[in-house]
Amino acid sequence: QSVLTQPPSVSGVPGQRVTISCTGSSSNIGAGYDVHWYQQLPGTAPKLLIYGNNNRPSGVPDRFSGSKSGTSASLDITGLQAEDEADYYCQSHDDSMEGVFGGGTKVTVL
Amino acid sequence: QVTLRESGPALVKPTQTLTLTCTFSGFSLSTSGMCVTWIRQPPGKALEWLALIDGDDDKYYSTSLKTRLTISKDTSKNQVVLTMTNMDPLDTATYYCARVLDYYDSSKNALDIWGQGAMVTVSS
Repeated sequence: QSVLTQPPSVSGVPGQRVTISCTGSSSNIGAGYDVHWYQQLPGTAPKLLIYGNNNRPSGVPDRFSGSKSGTSASLDITGLQAEDEADYYCQSHDDSMEGVFGGGTKVTVL
Repeated sequence: QVTLRESGPALVKPTQTLTLTCTFSGFSLSTSGMCVTWIRQPPGKALEWLALIDGDDDKYYSTSLKTRLTISKDTSKNQVVLTMTNMDPLDTATYYCARVLDYYDSSKNALDIWGQGAMVTVSS
């Protein structure tokens, strides 16, 4: 069982907006640690998508955005595209200084 | 260009010790805050954080696995080594290493560059 909780799957049609939630606790996200998001395309290594709650690395399209509030965070994909079909993971840290991941969310483009 | 590459045995027997090496280029672990992390992913399952080492040789381990894990570095070779003892079929997974830019700055301690991963199967 992953420390951070994500919905197993979300889906949408092209052009739609989808949101993935990531729920933690007072010892990780709620303690003030930033949340990062990764995209994993089938058969490939994860790729950093959002860092520091809401920052995009160079090259990541601006249809991806992140936010954080309290013990939760969320990833928004606006203008969903076929190439966005992938697994998405949130990640943070906890008071023991170890990293923690969410269970992953599969995004399906209908 | 920053790259990381994992290497090690593809198959280990139950109870054996696994040794994986992460060879990196394009950055130095001597840079303040820079770290290398190990993560694994069982087939069809979620990512799991394992261990991290920084340039000062400070080490952090997964609470659930720390009795079985050892992380070390060879700065001269640009390598980080992970050993896991008493391997079990449940440890079958793809093992990744990744860079962390600044572990001690929460806004920058994301895993920004990943290796391609090394699949390890535990079976007799």
